[in-house]
Amino acid sequence: GENVEQHPSTLSVQEGDSAVIKCTYSDSASNYFPWYKQELGKRPQLIIDIRSNVGEKKDQRIAVTLNKTAKHFSLHITETQPEDSAVYFCAASRRGPFCYGNNRLAFGKGNQVVVIP
Amino acid sequence: GAGVSQTPSNKVTEKGKYVELRCDPISGHTALYWYRQSLGQGPEFLIYFQGTGAADDSGLPNDRFFAVRPEGSVSTLKIQRTERGDSAVYLCASSFGANNEQFFGPGTRLTVL
Repeated sequence: GENVEQHPSTLSVQEGDSAVIKCTYSDSASNYFPWYKQELGKRPQLIIDIRSNVGEKKDQRIAVTLNKTAKHFSLHITETQPEDSAVYFCAASRRGPFCYGNNRLAFGKGNQVVVIP
Repeated sequence: GAGVSQTPSNKVTEKGKYVELRCDPISGHTALYWYRQSLGQGPEFLIYFQGTGAADDSGLPNDRFFAVRPEGSVSTLKIQRTERGDSAVYLCASSFGANNEQFFGPGTRLTVL
C-alpha cells in the first residue's frame, strides 16, 4: 500500500517568515495530494490539495508543489501568523475518474508547526 | 449547514467490553470513511462506504472491528472485546461522491482501561 512520510516532524518559525513542509510518497499511481490542518483537539480540515496533472497550486498565503518524478510534494506557507500554529498532515490517494471510486487517504505522521510571535 | 458529527465525543470502557461509535455524515454525502488516529500519528484508514455497502474494509485491523451503514447515511463502527491497543481517536469523514473533499467529524476519543 501507499506509504507517506513527512519531514521535519516539528518546525518553529518566526512570525512573518515562511514555512515549508515536505512529504514523500511511494505509490506512483497516487494522483491526489491533499493537505490537512489540525488544531489541538479539533478535526482535520482541508487547506489545499493538488492533483497529479498540476505541478503547483496557490491559495493566498498557501501553496503546494508536486514533483511526480521524485514522488514528493511540499506545502509552503508564507508570511506566517500565530494562527498558522497547528499540526499539518499530508496525504495521498488514487482518486479515480468516477464519482463512486475509492478515495481512501494515506496520511503522513504530521508536522507540528509553531509560529513564534 | 451542519458538518459531520460523531457521538459520543469521549468513550471510556474496560478491556473486553463492546463499544459502538456513531457517525452522522453531511446530508447527501454518499461516501463515508472511518479512520483511526493514534497519539502523534496521522489518521489511518479503516473502512469506506459508498451508499450502504462497504466498498473497502481492508483497513480494519481484525475481525473484532465491524461497521455498518444500513440506510446509506448514519454509520456505526462496532468494536468487540476491546483491547488497550484500541485506544485512539476514531474519525469519520464524508464526501459528496468519492472524488470530492472529505469533511471530517470531530472524532470519538476511545479509551480502553
